[in-house]
Amino acid sequence: GAGVSQSPSNKVTEKGKDVELRCDPISGHTALYWYRQSLGQGLEFLIYFQGNSAPDKSGLPSDRFSAERTGGSVSTLTIQRTQQEDSAVYLCASSLTSGRGRNTIYFGEGSWLTVV
Amino acid sequence: DQQVKQNSPSLSVQEGRISILNCDYTNSMFDYFLWYKKYPAEGPTFLISISSIKDKNEDGRFTVFLNKSAKHLSLHIVPSQPGDSAVYFCAASFVSGAGSYQLTFGKGTKLSVIP
Repeated sequence: GAGVSQSPSNKVTEKGKDVELRCDPISGHTALYWYRQSLGQGLEFLIYFQGNSAPDKSGLPSDRFSAERTGGSVSTLTIQRTQQEDSAVYLCASSLTSGRGRNTIYFGEGSWLTVV
Repeated sequence: DQQVKQNSPSLSVQEGRISILNCDYTNSMFDYFLWYKKYPAEGPTFLISISSIKDKNEDGRFTVFLNKSAKHLSLHIVPSQPGDSAVYFCAASFVSGAGSYQLTFGKGTKLSVIP
């Protein structure tokens, strides 16, 4: 596709349920990132995939959060046993190679998650 | 511990005047600084960046200034236009100890340009 595609765009779920958020990066981009933005907060780094390297999971807030990237393309972010504080917009981004410096990262429109 | 700080949550500027958005950082390992612009219900889009070895980068109406000694950067928009109204995120990049590239964002400043 032309840009980073995320689904669902909106998700309302009950506390305690599991949710899966999907990201389709720009074709050919080897780096993929997940960020989230909670109300009144900046963009919080969650996880980073680069090619076939082990992902950098240092930003995942708890073990309820996990992500995988299949075939070096599509990624799924899974949140288990959702809590109200998980409510946020989850943004996926991708870039050519590492995105360092002039290699811009491109964001999707985000998946808005509301936990009730 | 917030490494990138945007202390002004909002800014209002008259159309045609200069908008100055400020950003402070704490990590001296940051080697690139970027500004992203975000409209409601859209993902952030890249605006302009600057390497840590430079002190100024200009692109049309947008100029970013970097003061490394003060660990401060600013984005100048001149002249400001109503279409510039958006949330502006300051970001800084570095390579982590694990060898992974990371981009750290501030909380954003909401710019309103008044016609």
